[in-house]
Amino acid sequence: QKEVEQNSGPLSVPEGAIASLNCTYSDRVSQSFFWYRQYSGKSPELIMSIYSNGDKEDGRFTAQLNKASQYVSLLIRDSQPSDSATYLCAVYPSGGSYIPTFGRGTSLIVHP
Amino acid sequence: DGGITQSPKYLFRKEGQNVTLSCEQNLNHDAMYWYRQDPGQGLRLIYYSQIVNDFQKGDIAEGYSVSREKKESFPLTVTSAQKNPTAFYLCATSRDMYNEQFFGPGTRLTVL
Repeated sequence: QKEVEQNSGPLSVPEGAIASLNCTYSDRVSQSFFWYRQYSGKSPELIMSIYSNGDKEDGRFTAQLNKASQYVSLLIRDSQPSDSATYLCAVYPSGGSYIPTFGRGTSLIVHP
Repeated sequence: DGGITQSPKYLFRKEGQNVTLSCEQNLNHDAMYWYRQDPGQGLRLIYYSQIVNDFQKGDIAEGYSVSREKKESFPLTVTSAQKNPTAFYLCATSRDMYNEQFFGPGTRLTVL
Protein backbone atom coordinates (compact mmCIF):
# COMPACT_ATOMS: atom_id res chain seq x y z
CA GLN A 1 0.00 0.00 0.00
CA LYS A 2 1.61 3.22 -1.19
CA GLU A 3 1.26 5.95 1.39
CA VAL A 4 1.65 9.71 1.35
CA GLU A 5 1.72 11.39 4.73
CA GLN A 6 1.07 15.00 5.56
CA ASN A 7 0.59 16.71 8.90
CA SER A 8 -3.05 17.77 8.93
CA GLY A 9 -2.27 20.98 10.83
CA PRO A 10 -3.46 23.60 11.02
CA LEU A 11 -0.16 25.30 10.44
CA SER A 12 -0.50 28.90 11.54
CA VAL A 13 2.00 31.53 10.38
CA PRO A 14 2.00 35.33 10.52
CA GLU A 15 1.66 37.35 7.37
CA GLY A 16 5.05 37.82 5.69
CA ALA A 17 6.58 34.69 7.19
CA ILE A 18 7.75 31.55 5.39
CA ALA A 19 5.31 28.65 5.54
CA SER A 20 6.88 25.19 5.28
CA LEU A 21 4.69 22.25 4.31
CA ASN A 22 6.02 18.72 4.31
CA CYS A 23 5.06 15.44 2.70
CA THR A 24 6.63 11.99 3.09
CA TYR A 25 5.98 9.02 0.84
CA SER A 26 6.54 5.29 1.14
CA ASP A 27 7.17 4.24 -2.47
CA ARG A 28 10.92 4.59 -2.88
CA VAL A 29 10.79 4.62 -6.67
CA SER A 30 8.20 7.37 -7.03
CA GLN A 31 8.98 9.66 -9.95
CA SER A 32 6.70 12.69 -10.05
CA PHE A 33 5.50 14.97 -7.29
CA PHE A 34 2.85 17.66 -7.29
CA TRP A 35 1.45 20.22 -4.91
CA TYR A 36 -2.18 21.34 -5.07
CA ARG A 37 -3.88 24.17 -3.23
CA GLN A 38 -7.51 23.71 -2.20
CA TYR A 39 -9.54 26.57 -0.82
CA SER A 40 -12.44 25.68 1.45
CA GLY A 41 -15.38 24.41 -0.60
CA LYS A 42 -13.42 24.51 -3.86
CA SER A 43 -11.56 21.98 -5.98
CA PRO A 44 -7.78 21.41 -5.91
CA GLU A 45 -5.63 23.67 -8.08
CA LEU A 46 -2.19 22.57 -9.29
CA ILE A 47 0.52 24.96 -8.11
CA MET A 48 3.84 23.13 -8.38
CA SER A 49 5.44 20.05 -9.88
CA ILE A 50 8.89 18.60 -9.23
CA TYR A 51 10.60 15.57 -10.71
CA SER A 52 14.27 15.63 -9.67
CA ASN A 53 16.15 16.14 -6.44
CA GLY A 54 16.72 19.71 -5.34
CA ASP A 55 14.72 22.90 -5.37
CA LYS A 56 12.32 24.33 -7.91
CA GLU A 57 11.17 27.91 -7.55
CA ASP A 58 8.09 29.59 -9.00
CA GLY A 59 7.38 33.04 -7.68
CA ARG A 60 6.82 32.84 -3.92
CA PHE A 61 6.66 29.03 -4.05
CA THR A 62 9.60 26.64 -3.78
CA ALA A 63 9.26 22.89 -4.00
CA GLN A 64 12.04 20.77 -2.52
CA LEU A 65 12.55 17.09 -3.26
CA ASN A 66 14.80 14.61 -1.49
CA LYS A 67 14.29 11.15 -2.94
CA ALA A 68 16.85 9.53 -0.63
CA SER A 69 14.87 10.65 2.40
CA GLN A 70 11.53 10.25 0.60
CA TYR A 71 10.13 13.67 1.30
CA VAL A 72 8.92 16.63 -0.68
CA SER A 73 8.33 20.08 0.75
CA LEU A 74 6.60 23.26 -0.29
CA LEU A 75 7.87 26.61 0.96
CA ILE A 76 5.72 29.70 0.64
CA ARG A 77 7.68 32.93 1.10
CA ASP A 78 6.09 36.20 2.18
CA SER A 79 2.90 34.35 3.16
CA GLN A 80 -0.34 36.22 2.59
CA PRO A 81 -3.79 35.69 4.13
CA SER A 82 -4.90 34.63 0.62
CA ASP A 83 -2.54 31.64 0.93
CA SER A 84 -4.78 30.24 3.67
CA ALA A 85 -5.96 26.91 2.25
CA THR A 86 -5.34 23.18 2.41
CA TYR A 87 -2.28 22.00 0.49
CA LEU A 88 -2.34 18.50 -0.99
CA CYS A 89 0.72 16.51 -1.95
CA ALA A 90 0.40 14.04 -4.84
CA VAL A 91 2.95 11.35 -5.63
CA TYR A 92 3.12 9.39 -8.88
CA PRO A 93 4.69 5.92 -8.84
CA SER A 94 7.12 4.69 -11.44
CA GLY A 95 6.03 2.06 -13.96
CA GLY A 96 2.91 -0.05 -13.70
CA SER A 97 0.08 1.93 -12.16
CA TYR A 98 0.03 5.58 -13.13
CA ILE A 99 -2.50 6.61 -10.56
CA PRO A 100 -1.21 9.20 -8.11
CA THR A 101 -1.55 8.83 -4.37
CA PHE A 102 -2.77 11.98 -2.63
CA GLY A 103 -2.01 12.99 0.92
CA ARG A 104 -4.86 14.17 3.12
CA GLY A 105 -3.53 17.71 3.04
CA THR A 106 -2.15 20.28 5.45
CA SER A 107 -4.33 23.22 6.47
CA LEU A 108 -2.43 26.51 6.38
CA ILE A 109 -3.67 29.63 8.14
CA VAL A 110 -1.89 32.92 7.50
CA HIS A 111 -2.96 35.52 10.04
CA PRO A 112 -2.52 39.28 9.59
CA ASP B 1 -12.60 28.78 -23.11
CA GLY B 2 -10.59 25.68 -22.23
CA GLY B 3 -11.45 23.79 -19.13
CA ILE B 4 -13.33 21.17 -17.20
CA THR B 5 -16.96 21.63 -16.33
CA GLN B 6 -19.01 19.67 -13.83
CA SER B 7 -22.72 19.87 -13.35
CA PRO B 8 -24.70 20.34 -11.32
CA LYS B 9 -22.77 22.24 -8.67
CA TYR B 10 -25.14 20.99 -5.95
CA LEU B 11 -27.28 17.87 -6.11
CA PHE B 12 -29.80 16.49 -3.67
CA ARG B 13 -30.86 12.88 -3.87
CA LYS B 14 -33.52 10.93 -2.11
CA GLU B 15 -32.60 7.53 -0.78
CA GLY B 16 -33.09 4.83 -3.40
CA GLN B 17 -32.55 7.15 -6.36
CA ASN B 18 -29.84 6.94 -8.98
CA VAL B 19 -28.25 10.23 -9.97
CA THR B 20 -25.77 11.11 -12.71
CA LEU B 21 -23.00 13.68 -12.37
CA SER B 22 -21.69 15.28 -15.52
CA CYS B 23 -18.04 15.94 -16.38
CA GLU B 24 -17.05 17.57 -19.67
CA GLN B 25 -13.65 18.76 -20.88
CA ASN B 26 -12.36 20.57 -23.95
CA LEU B 27 -8.67 20.19 -23.14
CA ASN B 28 -8.31 17.24 -25.53
CA HIS B 29 -7.04 15.15 -22.62
CA ASP B 30 -7.10 11.39 -22.99
CA ALA B 31 -7.40 10.44 -19.32
CA MET B 32 -10.28 11.27 -17.00
CA TYR B 33 -10.89 10.42 -13.36
CA TRP B 34 -13.55 10.57 -10.68
CA TYR B 35 -12.69 11.16 -7.04
CA ARG B 36 -14.71 11.43 -3.90
CA GLN B 37 -13.70 13.73 -1.04
CA ASP B 38 -15.20 13.54 2.44
CA PRO B 39 -14.56 16.11 5.20
CA GLY B 40 -11.10 15.62 6.66
CA GLN B 41 -10.36 12.85 4.21
CA GLY B 42 -8.07 12.62 1.25
CA LEU B 43 -9.14 12.08 -2.33
CA ARG B 44 -10.38 8.58 -3.04
CA LEU B 45 -10.41 7.29 -6.60
CA ILE B 46 -13.72 5.91 -7.86
CA TYR B 47 -13.11 5.23 -11.56
CA TYR B 48 -10.69 6.28 -14.24
CA SER B 49 -10.49 6.10 -18.01
CA GLN B 50 -7.34 6.17 -20.10
CA ILE B 51 -9.07 6.31 -23.49
CA VAL B 52 -12.51 6.35 -25.01
CA ASN B 53 -14.58 3.20 -24.46
CA ASP B 54 -12.29 2.00 -21.69
CA PHE B 55 -12.47 2.53 -17.94
CA GLN B 56 -11.13 0.90 -14.79
CA LYS B 57 -12.32 0.64 -11.20
CA GLY B 58 -10.54 2.66 -8.58
CA ASP B 59 -10.36 2.02 -4.86
CA ILE B 60 -14.04 2.63 -4.06
CA ALA B 61 -16.02 1.71 -7.21
CA GLU B 62 -18.84 -0.17 -5.48
CA GLY B 63 -22.16 1.60 -5.93
CA TYR B 64 -20.92 3.72 -8.83
CA SER B 65 -20.89 3.33 -12.60
CA VAL B 66 -19.34 5.29 -15.47
CA SER B 67 -19.22 5.43 -19.24
CA ARG B 68 -16.74 6.92 -21.69
CA GLU B 69 -18.43 7.08 -25.07
CA LYS B 70 -16.80 10.37 -26.06
CA LYS B 71 -13.36 11.75 -25.34
CA GLU B 72 -14.88 14.91 -23.88
CA SER B 73 -17.31 13.30 -21.46
CA PHE B 74 -17.05 10.98 -18.45
CA PRO B 75 -20.35 10.89 -16.53
CA LEU B 76 -20.59 9.24 -13.12
CA THR B 77 -23.77 7.54 -11.91
CA VAL B 78 -24.25 7.17 -8.18
CA THR B 79 -26.59 4.22 -7.74
CA SER B 80 -28.88 3.33 -4.88
CA ALA B 81 -26.37 0.62 -3.96
CA GLN B 82 -23.95 3.29 -2.71
CA LYS B 83 -24.71 3.34 1.00
CA ASN B 84 -23.24 6.69 1.96
CA PRO B 85 -23.05 8.89 -1.14
CA THR B 86 -23.06 12.31 0.54
CA ALA B 87 -19.69 13.80 -0.47
CA PHE B 88 -17.86 16.24 -2.72
CA TYR B 89 -17.28 14.63 -6.14
CA LEU B 90 -14.35 15.77 -8.23
CA CYS B 91 -13.65 15.04 -11.87
CA ALA B 92 -10.07 15.35 -13.09
CA THR B 93 -8.34 15.07 -16.44
CA SER B 94 -4.77 14.63 -17.60
CA ARG B 95 -3.11 14.69 -21.01
CA ASP B 96 -2.34 11.03 -20.48
CA MET B 97 -1.84 8.72 -17.52
CA TYR B 98 1.74 9.95 -16.97
CA ASN B 99 0.99 13.63 -16.50
CA GLU B 100 -0.44 15.88 -13.84
CA GLN B 101 -4.16 16.01 -13.20
CA PHE B 102 -6.37 19.06 -13.42
CA PHE B 103 -9.60 19.21 -11.49
CA GLY B 104 -13.07 20.44 -12.34
CA PRO B 105 -15.02 22.63 -9.90
CA GLY B 106 -16.78 19.67 -8.27
CA THR B 107 -20.31 18.55 -7.47
CA ARG B 108 -21.55 18.45 -3.91
CA LEU B 109 -24.04 15.59 -3.47
CA THR B 110 -26.32 15.38 -0.48
CA VAL B 111 -28.65 12.51 0.29
CA LEU B 112 -31.86 13.61 1.95
